[in-house]
Amino acid sequence: EAGVAQSPRYKIIEKRQSVAFWCNPISGHATLYWYQQILGQGPKLLIQFQNNGVVDDSQLPKDRFSAERLKGVDSTLKIQPAKLEDSAVYLCASSRTSGRASTGELFFGEGSRLTVL
Amino acid sequence: AQKVTQAQTEISVVEKEDVTLDCVYETRDTTYYLFWYKQPPSGELVFLIRRNSFDEQNEISGRYSWNFQKSTSSFNFTITASQVVDSAVYFCALSDGTSGTYKYIFGTGTRLKVLA
Repeated sequence: EAGVAQSPRYKIIEKRQSVAFWCNPISGHATLYWYQQILGQGPKLLIQFQNNGVVDDSQLPKDRFSAERLKGVDSTLKIQPAKLEDSAVYLCASSRTSGRASTGELFFGEGSRLTVL
Repeated sequence: AQKVTQAQTEISVVEKEDVTLDCVYETRDTTYYLFWYKQPPSGELVFLIRRNSFDEQNEISGRYSWNFQKSTSSFNFTITASQVVDSAVYFCALSDGTSGTYKYIFGTGTRLKVLA
């Protein structure tokens, strides 16, 4: 079973530029998450999708961040314009299903490391 | 509000020593789930264990063991006879169990360094 794929692994941009990250979850996983992990901190949920619908985006800075999962499979996270404080690792995760039948185990990709200068 | 505290920022041990990573959580939910994840240098978090709030049995898996105590709101993780490959950042996480979807709150992590 292929794991969660993310690209690019590394990205360096200047502030006010835009950037996009791509994630392809494990095949058949209905739930997809984007997390932001700032150095020295734990992952913080940005947005959670169930198929192609948004379950939770309460912590997504919507003035600059956007995410979509149009066909309920892969997903794109965009930042425009980027700020210095957006420097972080952006982790994508997926899970088999949601709800009480699920074990809740998240499968993570290796992350996309963003540096904003 | 839910919260997970991992007070130990970094721990260094010599190979073959036992080490315990502490996790204290706060929640008002009666149904919740606790998790441990390992993040090696490659960056990919790897699931280690899930515990629900109604199951206080301790669990052992090889050199790993977990001690869940609701009375102290703790879910500690012990590695017996540590190895260099155990070097990683370990995260404890809490999720509610009533919303139908898992919404994780992660702790800040404990970096474990196992020295040869």
